[in-house]
Amino acid sequence: KQEVTQIPAALSVPEGENLVLNCSFTDSAIYNLQWFRQDPGKGLTSLLLIQSSQREQTSGRLNASLDKSSGRSTLYIAASQPGDSATYLCAVRGGANSKLTFGKGITLSVRP
Amino acid sequence: NAGVTQTPKFQVLKTGQSMTLQCAQDMNHNSMYWYRQDPGMGLRLIYYSASEGTTDKGEVPNGYNVSRLNKREFSLRLESAAPSQTSVYFCASCKTPGQGPYEQYFGPGTRLTVT
Repeated sequence: KQEVTQIPAALSVPEGENLVLNCSFTDSAIYNLQWFRQDPGKGLTSLLLIQSSQREQTSGRLNASLDKSSGRSTLYIAASQPGDSATYLCAVRGGANSKLTFGKGITLSVRP
Repeated sequence: NAGVTQTPKFQVLKTGQSMTLQCAQDMNHNSMYWYRQDPGMGLRLIYYSASEGTTDKGEVPNGYNVSRLNKREFSLRLESAAPSQTSVYFCASCKTPGQGPYEQYFGPGTRLTVT
C-alpha cells in the first residue's frame, strides 16, 4: 500500500528565503505526482503535475522535481513571500486507474 | 469556467438527520470523487465515480451513499448523520488517461457539523 510522507509538518521562514518542501513515497511505481496548495478554510489548488516520465516541472517561482527511484519529490519555492503562507500537499497516483494517495501536508508560514 | 462547485458551503445537522451534498463540474471530466478532510487524518476518499453510471467505494464509505446523476454532477448523501461525520467534504474531478493531463481539481468544500 502506497504511503506518502511530508516532513516536517510545519515550517516557518523569513520572507525572501528560498525553500524546499519534501515529499517521500514508498512505492516507486507511480503514474504521476501532483503538488497542491490549500489556504485556511479553502479547497485544494493544483500547483504542479509531474508525469512519471518527467524529472521536473516549473511554474513561476515554483519548481517541482521527481526522483522515482528514490521515492522522493521536492517543491522548491524561490524568494518566498508572505502570500506563500499555506499548507502544501503532495499526492501520488499509483497507476492509470488508481486513486491519488495524499500526504498530510506541510504548513508553511513566511514571516514579513 | 466555474471548475468544481459545491453546495452548500456550510451545514449544521442534528444527529439522525439526512442531507445531500451537491457537486458539479464544467470541465467535461469523466472521473469524480468525494473526500473528507479531518485534522490529523489528512484527506480520505469516500466514494468515486470513474465515469457516468459507475460508482465505487473508497477508503471510508460507511454511512454515505452517492449518485452520479450525469457527467457533470456527483452527489453525496448522509442518510442518518452522526457526530463522527463532522468534517470538511471536498469534491474533485479529473480527466481519465487518454483524455488529457491526468490532473485532479478540487471544489471549495462543504463544512459540515453534526451535533
